[in-house]
Amino acid sequence: GEDVEQSLFLSVREGDSSVINCTYTDSSSTYLYWYKQEPGAGLQLLTYIFSNMDMKQDQRLTVLLNKKDKHLSLRIADTQTGDSAIYFCAESISVRLSSGTYKYIFGTGTRLKVLA
Amino acid sequence: ETGVTQSPTHLIKTRGQQVTLRCSSQSGHNTVSWYQQALGQGPQFIFQYYREEENGRGNFPPRFSGLQFPNYSSELNVNALELDDSALYLCASSSTGTQYFGPGTRLLVL
Repeated sequence: GEDVEQSLFLSVREGDSSVINCTYTDSSSTYLYWYKQEPGAGLQLLTYIFSNMDMKQDQRLTVLLNKKDKHLSLRIADTQTGDSAIYFCAESISVRLSSGTYKYIFGTGTRLKVLA
Repeated sequence: ETGVTQSPTHLIKTRGQQVTLRCSSQSGHNTVSWYQQALGQGPQFIFQYYREEENGRGNFPPRFSGLQFPNYSSELNVNALELDDSALYLCASSSTGTQYFGPGTRLLVL
């Protein structure tokens, strides 16, 4: 089946690291994504990781992928109040191989609250 | 900003009415996907258009339909609106796989 799970809430103090976790079900996912959504806004692409990678670092963001356990995490270093938002992980699943197009299956989102 | 635009930003309709939402894809992108995001939930895949044809569909009834135009912009049409159709509707454009989302249209059905 297609299912992505995330914990609902995370609260951290400003300057600490945040770790947001996600589990997914489709082992054929080629890419896995992290998006950020601020109140009343659309989804902002933060980063993504190819399924043959274990780790990807992008400035304050570190993505870890454990393909065996189908576990994905996003670490935000030196978390700031501006990082307060909802974070979604998504797995990409092929819609049609001939066209090379994909749909995303999203988790329910993790609401990150950063305390000053 | 992604270059994906959506209109209108907000819309209020009554049950039974029909609605059309619009999306302009990012330059160079030939694929548009539509998602419905209910309050407190993650986005759910409605369908995808690739080169003006429906390319795949999620678990949504036929009263959800769409179009893609030669310039790759797209419309989402919903007939016979129900209260549960109240949501944020997101479109995303892509060319090689990574999807870039627009700001969404918030639809309220009364």
